[in-house]
Parts: sequence; structure tokens; C-alpha cells
Amino acid sequence: AQSVTQPDIHITVSEGASLELRCNYSYGATPYLFWYVQSPGQGLQLLLKYFSGDTLVQGIKGFEAEFKRSQSSFNLRKPSVHWSDAAEYFCAVDTRNTGTAIKLTFGTGTRLQVTL
Amino acid sequence: ETGVTQSPTHLIKTRGQQVTLRCSSQSGHNTVSWYQQALGQGPQFIFQYYREEENGRGNFPPRFSGLQFPNYSSELNVNALELDDSALYLCASTAGIVVNEQFFGPGTRLTVL
Repeated sequence: AQSVTQPDIHITVSEGASLELRCNYSYGATPYLFWYVQSPGQGLQLLLKYFSGDTLVQGIKGFEAEFKRSQSSFNLRKPSVHWSDAAEYFCAVDTRNTGTAIKLTFGTGTRLQVTL
Repeated sequence: ETGVTQSPTHLIKTRGQQVTLRCSSQSGHNTVSWYQQALGQGPQFIFQYYREEENGRGNFPPRFSGLQFPNYSSELNVNALELDDSALYLCASTAGIVVNEQFFGPGTRLTVL
């Protein structure tokens, strides 16, 4: 079955420290992968996406992610975290059927807490 | 260009009632998808509408139904509300089938008592 696993439910980092959020997917075809961020009570904002080509993708707010096919992973990284990065982060894979538009299957999310 | 908008922002209903949630897609987008996000969970796909026809459905019972109008706005209807229907309902619009990105609205928070 198609699925996304985010093994870390909650992560706490200090402001200025580096960050890596893990994401593993299970999908038979070449995956289209996404990372979204959600602040409390808000909708989803797209951070970055991978479709093909360079396996290291750059996103907004200084985030990047690396696609590793051999590990079925798409981990999100940031070199230096800011207090405003505290939020819930979701990894997702496009699991659309033929003839349909994009349909996302999400992981359960990782809550990031940033200490000052 | 306006983004995806949803109404209402919050809603409180009692078990057994019916509810209608509304979504206006981003300008030029003809495809709308609905997701349910329970507390502490990731969003789950409910269904998708493309050019006013249902174009895919997730694992949700028939009491979850929808509509898409000629202007591509959409409604999500839920009948016979259950306590577990309490969630954030997210609408996302896409500019057609080929495009590889969705734009999400802010969501409607539904509480069922």
C-alpha cells in the first residue's frame, strides 16, 4: 500500500541549530514528493517538491530536501533553525490514479519545537 | 489573484445533524480536492472534483458527498454527523489534471458535540 512514514512525532531543537526531519515513503512508481508546513490553526503551506532531476531540492524559508531512491527517503533539512520555524511539518507523496489530478497521501506529521 | 478560500472558519454541530462546507478555488483552477485532518493526524483525501464531476474518492462513507459548480467552487456535505467527524477540513485547488501542485485553503474547523 502507498504510505508515508514520519518516524519522529516531536522534535525539539535550539534556535540556530541544524534540523533534519525524516520521511520515508512506500510507492511503486517514481514518486512526486512534497513537504508542507502548518502553523497552529492554519492551512498547509508548500515548502518544496520533488518531481525528477536533481535529487537535492531547495525550497522556501531556507529549507532543502534530498531524495534518496535507494532508501525510499525524502528528508527535510535546514542549516540554522529560527524560532519562527516552530510548526507541524508534513511529508506527502502524490498517489493519484490514472486520469485524476494530484492526490496527496500524507504522513502523520512532525511537530517542531524551537527553544531560545 | 486570490487564493483558495473556505467558509465558514469554524462550525459547531451536534451528532446526527448535517453540515455544508464551502470552498472557492484559486482563479483559473478547475479541480478541487477535499481532505479531512483529525487532531494530531495528517490530512486524509476525501474526494476530488474535476469539471463538476467526482474524479476520485478516498476511503470515506457515502454520507460524505460533494458538488462542484460551473465557476469551479465546491461544497462538501456531511450527513448524519458523528463525533469522529470533528476535524479540520481542507480544500485544495489545482489547475487541471496534468499539473503537479495543489494550493490549500485555510480550512474549516468542524466540531461535533
